Amino acid sequence: GEDVEQSLFLSVREGDSSVINCTYTDSSSTYLYWYKQEPGAGLQLLTYIFSNMDMKQDQRLTVLLNKKDKHLSLRIADTQTGDSAIYFCAETSNSGYALNFGKGTSLLVTP
Amino acid sequence: GAGVSQTPSNKVTEKGKYVELRCDPISGHTALYWYRQSLGQGPEFLIYFQGTGAADDSGLPNDRFFAVRPEGSVSTLKIQRTERGDSAVYLCASSLGSESETQYFGPGTRLLVL
Repeated sequence: GEDVEQSLFLSVREGDSSVINCTYTDSSSTYLYWYKQEPGAGLQLLTYIFSNMDMKQDQRLTVLLNKKDKHLSLRIADTQTGDSAIYFCAETSNSGYALNFGKGTSLLVTP
Repeated sequence: GAGVSQTPSNKVTEKGKYVELRCDPISGHTALYWYRQSLGQGPEFLIYFQGTGAADDSGLPNDRFFAVRPEGSVSTLKIQRTERGDSAVYLCASSLGSESETQYFGPGTRLLVL
């Protein structure tokens, strides 16, 4: 199957910006997603971007998409301790409905 | 409104036993998905329902796994002759339609096979 790659771990200080990166492989993906998973919880949809866009901003979240390089990033401004979680990048597979997920980036925000 | 719910939240069973995991999708969502998340991994697709029928079960690992959605709402994932390697979090998601519709996930069922 297709592989979605993410760095495994990121640590930032409270108040700084966090940038989580992802590379995907399926150029036909219609949407790309960012999900957040807190310990012992399910996946919470954070934001998504349509493949014909290159940027989407939603409050503290900014998503950048570089289709040429198949690179997706999530920037969290003014990161808070409550943002500590695992962040998953996901692409729609060539089926059009099943999602392919990365292994997740564990974000630790320190005071 | 209510989100996707899953029961039980945790299930401990012995190797060789049969288990059923239940998913209640968001009301009005016609599409339902099951994923499996092993420790330290992202979720992996298992099966997709559109209405009552399994439109794609290509992610089911073997014939010990089966899922139903008889009335197009609640779905049950059934695992026969459980093995220790089946231990994982089983996640259910639903979406309003099918292709390219945003999927909303439940909290998952944590299955531990001893």
